[in-house]
Amino acid sequence: ELKVEQNPLFLSMQEGKNYTIYCNYSTTSDRLYWYRQDPGKSLESLFVLLSNGAVKQEGRLMASLDTKARLSTLHITAAVHDLSATYFCAVGINNNDMRFGAGTRLTVKP
Amino acid sequence: GAGVSQSPSNKVTEKGKDVELRCDPISGHTALYWYRQSLGQGLEFLIYFQGNSAPDKSGLPSDRFSAERTGGSVSTLTIQRTQQEDSAVYLCASSLYPGQGAREQYFGPGTRLTVT
Repeated sequence: ELKVEQNPLFLSMQEGKNYTIYCNYSTTSDRLYWYRQDPGKSLESLFVLLSNGAVKQEGRLMASLDTKARLSTLHITAAVHDLSATYFCAVGINNNDMRFGAGTRLTVKP
Repeated sequence: GAGVSQSPSNKVTEKGKDVELRCDPISGHTALYWYRQSLGQGLEFLIYFQGNSAPDKSGLPSDRFSAERTGGSVSTLTIQRTQQEDSAVYLCASSLYPGQGAREQYFGPGTRLTVT
């Protein structure tokens, strides 16, 4: 059974600081997704990573994928309050399916 | 263009009643998914439809849960004899092509179900 583990599950950080969220998974996969969810809202796609060594950046967020280590990271640079949300990674399985991690609830404090 | 839509946005029902939740996927998307998210929790996979293939029902928590997808488009998730533990947000997502490209899932706004 596929396991997708995120850590930390809760993250409180100061504005301006850097931090990394980790996503480990237990089976081979060719694609990894990061989503953002604001309170009371649905999920918004952030990144899709499709190959080993893939790196994508959008603003203060950068995601990377190491398929050999079965690890993806979401790095936050110089955090701002607007980044406060829950971040989910999801691992692609089978042909068109994915399974989600438990999510990392990020709070950025002034 | 129009995204994934779900209705109702909120549903309050009494324990033991049946409920139906509706999902309209993005036009042309062949894959449709249902997830459940309990308060403060991650996403629990429920069921997955792909074209005309038999759905993957492996995530349905009990036989009180069922889903259908008519004409390869709209889907209905039915929960019979609702229990309080069924209270959650039910999210629907759709995806364009199987086996090609990013196969990214696009999520609807969800239906918040409260069983009293």
